[in-house]
Amino acid sequence: DTAVSQTPKYLVTQMGNDKSIKCEQNLGHDTMYWYKQDSKKFLKIMFSYNNKELIINETVPNRFSPKSPDKAHLNLHINSLELGDSAVYFCASSHDPAGGLGETQYFGPGTRLLVL
Amino acid sequence: AQSVAQPEDQVNVAEGNPLTVKCTYSVSGNPYLFWYVQYPNRGLQFLLKYITGDNLVKGSYGFEAEFNKSQTSFHLKKPSALVSDSALYFCAVRDMRSYNFNKFYFGSGTKLNVKP
Repeated sequence: DTAVSQTPKYLVTQMGNDKSIKCEQNLGHDTMYWYKQDSKKFLKIMFSYNNKELIINETVPNRFSPKSPDKAHLNLHINSLELGDSAVYFCASSHDPAGGLGETQYFGPGTRLLVL
Repeated sequence: AQSVAQPEDQVNVAEGNPLTVKCTYSVSGNPYLFWYVQYPNRGLQFLLKYITGDNLVKGSYGFEAEFNKSQTSFHLKKPSALVSDSALYFCAVRDMRSYNFNKFYFGSGTKLNVKP
């Protein structure tokens, strides 16, 4: 069974479109994350949710809107896509870091977004 | 500032030789440090972590890492490299400030090339 899954794996779209990426984890974790990995492989956190509550919201354009319908899901909706949004987006999950302190993150396979 | 640095973009080593991938950190308080590996077109996989205790941490696939507080380093090591170890390696540190527990900072990644 896949622990952290993302759909779609690949997403090619035109500038200005709106798209969503879905993430699901079956590990029973409380906390989920979205990361962006750019073309140079640099990985940066975008958002973090803990029990459906937004905890971390980095300086991300408000065209990006995460939604967590329940603890097992964290979706990312992107409005008015721009060329610079092209990247690989990773979802991850962990137990609440504030609980055990040493919680490991489990990453999904990534969604490769290409904006033309 | 909370951060990690991986000074080498790439490390080349011959199969059977020992390998070291370097990481230094900057964090408030005692650090929680992690190593992840990313194979092509895959998500990050956890290798090992340092929370407290023994400075030498053993992890998956024969990897280990040495925590050195005086040098603020957490270098990844393996006594004998395999061609299959070739991948991108990320060091990460958790933000230890209570309001930012959910935040992790990743290094820029080091590409490990193991040649037969």
